[in-house]
Amino acid sequence: GAGVSQSPSNKVTEKGKDVELRCDPISGHTALYWYRQSLGQGLEFLIYFQGNSAPDKSGLPSDRFSAERTGGSVSTLTIQRTQQEDSAVYLCASSSPTELSYEQYFGPGTRLTVT
Amino acid sequence: KQEVTQIPAALSVPEGENLVLNCSFTDSAIYNLQWFRQDPGKGLTSLLLIQSSQREQTSGRLNASLDKSSGRSTLYIAASQPGDSATYLCALASGGSYIPTFGRGTSLIVHP
Repeated sequence: GAGVSQSPSNKVTEKGKDVELRCDPISGHTALYWYRQSLGQGLEFLIYFQGNSAPDKSGLPSDRFSAERTGGSVSTLTIQRTQQEDSAVYLCASSSPTELSYEQYFGPGTRLTVT
Repeated sequence: KQEVTQIPAALSVPEGENLVLNCSFTDSAIYNLQWFRQDPGKGLTSLLLIQSSQREQTSGRLNASLDKSSGRSTLYIAASQPGDSATYLCALASGGSYIPTFGRGTSLIVHP
Protein backbone atom coordinates (compact mmCIF):
# COMPACT_ATOMS: atom_id res chain seq x y z
CA GLY A 1 0.00 0.00 0.00
CA ALA A 2 0.91 3.68 -0.04
CA GLY A 3 3.60 4.85 2.34
CA VAL A 4 3.86 8.04 4.36
CA SER A 5 3.68 11.11 2.17
CA GLN A 6 4.72 14.68 2.92
CA SER A 7 4.14 17.95 1.14
CA PRO A 8 5.65 20.10 -0.07
CA SER A 9 8.94 18.36 -0.73
CA ASN A 10 10.74 21.69 -0.69
CA LYS A 11 9.74 25.04 0.75
CA VAL A 12 11.63 28.30 0.58
CA THR A 13 10.23 31.12 2.68
CA GLU A 14 11.28 34.52 3.88
CA LYS A 15 12.17 35.13 7.49
CA GLY A 16 9.09 36.11 9.46
CA LYS A 17 6.58 34.26 7.28
CA ASP A 18 4.42 31.38 8.50
CA VAL A 19 4.67 27.93 6.88
CA GLU A 20 2.55 24.79 6.99
CA LEU A 21 3.94 21.33 6.39
CA ARG A 22 1.67 18.39 5.73
CA CYS A 23 1.97 14.69 6.54
CA ASP A 24 -0.28 11.87 5.33
CA PRO A 25 0.42 8.74 7.39
CA ILE A 26 -0.11 5.18 6.30
CA SER A 27 -3.81 4.36 6.38
CA GLY A 28 -4.78 2.85 9.72
CA HIS A 29 -1.68 4.02 11.56
CA THR A 30 -2.79 5.75 14.73
CA ALA A 31 0.64 6.95 15.87
CA LEU A 32 2.26 9.90 14.10
CA TYR A 33 5.59 11.57 14.82
CA TRP A 34 7.27 14.77 13.62
CA TYR A 35 11.05 15.15 13.66
CA ARG A 36 13.49 17.79 12.52
CA GLN A 37 16.90 17.08 11.02
CA SER A 38 19.26 20.02 10.70
CA LEU A 39 22.34 19.87 8.50
CA GLY A 40 24.89 17.56 10.07
CA GLN A 41 22.69 16.93 13.08
CA GLY A 42 20.74 13.95 14.32
CA LEU A 43 17.00 13.58 14.38
CA GLU A 44 15.28 15.88 16.83
CA PHE A 45 11.87 14.76 18.11
CA LEU A 46 9.18 17.44 17.87
CA ILE A 47 5.71 16.02 18.61
CA TYR A 48 3.90 12.68 18.88
CA PHE A 49 0.22 11.90 18.29
CA GLN A 50 -1.39 8.63 19.39
CA GLY A 51 -5.03 8.11 18.54
CA ASN A 52 -7.32 10.47 20.43
CA SER A 53 -4.88 11.03 23.27
CA ALA A 54 -3.41 14.44 23.97
CA PRO A 55 -0.27 14.86 21.85
CA ASP A 56 3.18 14.78 23.42
CA LYS A 57 4.53 18.23 22.55
CA SER A 58 7.64 17.96 24.68
CA GLY A 59 10.00 18.30 21.72
CA LEU A 60 8.63 21.51 20.22
CA PRO A 61 11.49 24.05 20.41
CA SER A 62 9.37 27.17 20.89
CA ASP A 63 5.79 28.41 20.92
CA ARG A 64 6.20 29.34 17.26
CA PHE A 65 5.80 25.64 16.50
CA SER A 66 2.45 23.88 16.63
CA ALA A 67 0.89 20.81 15.08
CA GLU A 68 -2.53 19.33 14.72
CA ARG A 69 -3.95 16.09 13.48
CA THR A 70 -7.40 16.12 11.98
CA GLY A 71 -9.64 13.07 12.03
CA GLY A 72 -6.84 10.92 13.34
CA SER A 73 -5.12 10.96 9.97
CA VAL A 74 -3.50 13.94 8.24
CA SER A 75 -1.23 16.15 10.33
CA THR A 76 -0.07 19.71 9.77
CA LEU A 77 3.02 21.22 11.37
CA THR A 78 2.89 25.00 11.49
CA ILE A 79 5.84 27.26 12.08
CA GLN A 80 5.00 30.89 12.74
CA ARG A 81 7.34 33.83 12.17
CA THR A 82 10.02 31.58 10.71
CA GLN A 83 13.65 32.16 11.62
CA GLN A 84 16.78 31.13 9.74
CA GLU A 85 17.55 28.53 12.40
CA ASP A 86 14.29 26.78 11.44
CA SER A 87 15.93 25.72 8.17
CA ALA A 88 16.03 21.93 8.25
CA VAL A 89 14.43 18.80 6.87
CA TYR A 90 11.15 18.03 8.63
CA LEU A 91 10.35 14.33 8.72
CA CYS A 92 7.11 12.62 9.56
CA ALA A 93 6.70 8.98 10.60
CA SER A 94 3.76 6.77 11.46
CA SER A 95 3.32 3.45 13.20
CA SER A 96 0.57 1.08 14.20
CA PRO A 97 0.23 -0.10 17.78
CA THR A 98 -1.78 -3.06 16.53
CA GLU A 99 1.43 -4.40 15.05
CA LEU A 100 2.83 -4.46 18.60
CA SER A 101 6.30 -3.75 17.32
CA TYR A 102 5.62 -0.02 16.82
CA GLU A 103 7.81 -0.12 13.75
CA GLN A 104 8.17 3.38 12.34
CA TYR A 105 7.71 4.23 8.68
CA PHE A 106 9.06 7.56 7.48
CA GLY A 107 8.01 9.93 4.76
CA PRO A 108 10.48 11.57 2.35
CA GLY A 109 10.60 14.80 4.32
CA THR A 110 10.08 18.48 3.62
CA ARG A 111 13.21 20.57 3.15
CA LEU A 112 12.54 24.03 4.61
CA THR A 113 14.84 26.92 3.77
CA VAL A 114 14.32 30.25 5.49
CA THR A 115 16.03 33.15 3.73
CA LYS B 1 17.14 9.64 29.88
CA GLN B 2 18.13 7.28 27.08
CA GLU B 3 21.38 8.10 25.31
CA VAL B 4 22.27 6.39 22.04
CA THR B 5 25.78 6.39 20.61
CA GLN B 6 26.84 5.11 17.22
CA ILE B 7 30.43 4.22 16.46
CA PRO B 8 32.11 4.83 14.12
CA ALA B 9 30.67 8.13 12.90
CA ALA B 10 32.03 7.45 9.43
CA LEU B 11 33.38 4.41 7.66
CA SER B 12 34.91 3.85 4.23
CA VAL B 13 35.48 0.31 3.00
CA PRO B 14 36.23 -1.42 -0.28
CA GLU B 15 33.50 -3.38 -1.96
CA GLY B 16 33.11 -6.96 -0.75
CA GLU B 17 34.10 -6.39 2.86
CA ASN B 18 31.98 -7.60 5.74
CA LEU B 19 31.42 -4.82 8.24
CA VAL B 20 29.89 -4.11 11.63
CA LEU B 21 28.17 -0.94 12.75
CA ASN B 22 27.73 -0.38 16.46
CA CYS B 23 24.97 1.18 18.51
CA SER B 24 25.19 1.51 22.29
CA PHE B 25 22.53 2.69 24.71
CA THR B 26 22.32 3.55 28.38
CA ASP B 27 18.82 2.40 29.37
CA SER B 28 18.30 -1.33 28.87
CA ALA B 29 14.54 -1.14 29.51
CA ILE B 30 13.89 -0.95 25.80
CA TYR B 31 10.69 -1.74 23.95
CA ASN B 32 12.27 -2.15 20.55
CA LEU B 33 15.33 -1.21 18.52
CA GLN B 34 15.13 -0.26 14.89
CA TRP B 35 17.90 0.15 12.30
CA PHE B 36 17.32 2.62 9.47
CA ARG B 37 19.11 3.63 6.32
CA GLN B 38 19.07 7.21 5.05
CA ASP B 39 20.26 8.17 1.59
CA PRO B 40 21.32 11.80 1.00
CA GLY B 41 18.31 14.10 0.76
CA LYS B 42 15.88 11.28 1.50
CA GLY B 43 13.78 10.05 4.38
CA LEU B 44 14.58 7.04 6.55
CA THR B 45 14.04 3.49 5.33
CA SER B 46 13.48 0.81 7.94
CA LEU B 47 15.92 -2.07 7.65
CA LEU B 48 15.35 -4.24 10.70
CA LEU B 49 13.40 -4.06 13.93
CA ILE B 50 14.26 -6.11 17.00
CA GLN B 51 11.71 -6.35 19.76
CA SER B 52 12.83 -6.48 23.37
CA SER B 53 12.29 -10.22 23.63
CA GLN B 54 14.39 -10.96 20.55
CA ARG B 55 18.13 -11.36 20.14
CA GLU B 56 18.57 -10.81 16.42
CA GLN B 57 16.88 -10.25 13.09
CA THR B 58 18.09 -11.01 9.59
CA SER B 59 17.17 -9.66 6.19
CA GLY B 60 19.25 -10.66 3.21
CA ARG B 61 22.83 -9.54 3.77
CA LEU B 62 21.90 -7.69 6.94
CA ASN B 63 21.90 -9.07 10.46
CA ALA B 64 21.11 -7.04 13.55
CA SER B 65 21.73 -8.28 17.07
CA LEU B 66 20.62 -6.98 20.43
CA ASP B 67 22.32 -7.46 23.79
CA LYS B 68 20.38 -5.59 26.44
CA SER B 69 22.69 -6.61 29.27
CA SER B 70 25.64 -4.86 27.66
CA GLY B 71 23.58 -2.06 26.12
CA ARG B 72 24.65 -2.82 22.59
CA SER B 73 23.29 -3.57 19.17
CA THR B 74 25.28 -4.35 16.06
CA LEU B 75 24.33 -4.22 12.40
CA TYR B 76 26.34 -6.66 10.33
CA ILE B 77 26.51 -6.10 6.58
CA ALA B 78 27.89 -9.00 4.58
CA ALA B 79 29.68 -8.62 1.26
CA SER B 80 29.22 -4.85 1.10
CA GLN B 81 28.32 -3.19 -2.20
CA PRO B 82 28.58 0.42 -3.42
CA GLY B 83 24.78 0.58 -3.22
CA ASP B 84 25.06 0.13 0.55
CA SER B 85 26.59 3.61 0.80
CA ALA B 86 24.30 5.62 3.07
CA THR B 87 23.92 6.78 6.65
CA TYR B 88 22.75 4.08 9.06
CA LEU B 89 20.84 5.08 12.18
CA CYS B 90 19.66 3.10 15.15
CA ALA B 91 16.69 4.13 17.26
CA LEU B 92 15.33 2.79 20.52
CA ALA B 93 11.97 3.12 22.22
CA SER B 94 12.48 2.69 25.93
CA GLY B 95 11.41 3.65 29.44
CA GLY B 96 7.73 3.11 28.72
CA SER B 97 7.75 5.68 25.92
CA TYR B 98 6.99 4.90 22.30
CA ILE B 99 9.00 7.93 21.21
CA PRO B 100 12.32 6.55 19.95
CA THR B 101 15.70 8.05 20.73
CA PHE B 102 17.95 8.17 17.68
CA GLY B 103 21.69 7.86 17.38
CA ARG B 104 23.62 10.33 15.21
CA GLY B 105 24.28 7.66 12.62
CA THR B 106 27.22 6.06 10.86
CA SER B 107 28.03 7.39 7.41
CA LEU B 108 29.13 4.47 5.25
CA ILE B 109 30.93 4.67 1.92
CA VAL B 110 31.58 1.48 0.00
CA HIS B 111 33.94 2.15 -2.87
CA PRO B 112 34.30 -0.09 -5.93
